[in-house]
Amino acid sequence: ILNVEQSPQSLHVQEGDSTNFTCSFPSSNFYALHWYRWETAKSPEALFVMTLNGDEKKKGRISATLNTKEGYSYLYIKGSQPEDSATYLCALCATDSWGKLQFGAGTQVVVTP
Amino acid sequence: NAGVTQTPKFRILKIGQSMTLQCTQDMNHNYMYWYRQDPGMGLKLIYYSVGAGITDKGEVPNGYNVSRSTTEDFPLRLELAAPSQTSVYFCASSYDLQGRYTQYFGPGTRLTVL
Repeated sequence: ILNVEQSPQSLHVQEGDSTNFTCSFPSSNFYALHWYRWETAKSPEALFVMTLNGDEKKKGRISATLNTKEGYSYLYIKGSQPEDSATYLCALCATDSWGKLQFGAGTQVVVTP
Repeated sequence: NAGVTQTPKFRILKIGQSMTLQCTQDMNHNYMYWYRQDPGMGLKLIYYSVGAGITDKGEVPNGYNVSRSTTEDFPLRLELAAPSQTSVYFCASSYDLQGRYTQYFGPGTRLTVL
């Protein structure tokens, strides 16, 4: 079982502020890192799949970076809006676990007007 | 495309009862997964399948069984339900098993065992 940790567990952000949070994972046997956005009472939706050290992905106001050598990824939300309120999950795929994702517990983001 | 669909949305079981959670995908994905989500614990893999007729255990398979007779369907069977199986269950599918492609999730089934 791979140890995928996300921090903080939750955070509150004022509308318009930017924020970021971390996904940490074992750097050995890295294959891919997934980010998912999970709104309450809905199913997780994919944001990014990152595979290369130094990868940067962007989708609207949300972006992510990846450092496979030190085993972490950051997710950034620029100019947070109430609709960004959700739990953000990262999931690691290792070379010896083909396609099976090990999910972190998530970071819950609450954006208040 | 409907994507990944799951039925039922909610279910209450008594201890010792059995039930089958249904999952269907219309994206012609070979790879399908069952997860359970417990509060504060993220998603844990129960079983997965790489194609019709082929299934394997994930991290928490005890108390569950699966079958995969077609590409589209991947039902999860609970035998002798226990309170520890109270959870939200998600089915997912993906284009490949190599982890470079996103997984598509169904809407979930909320199960309570009393």
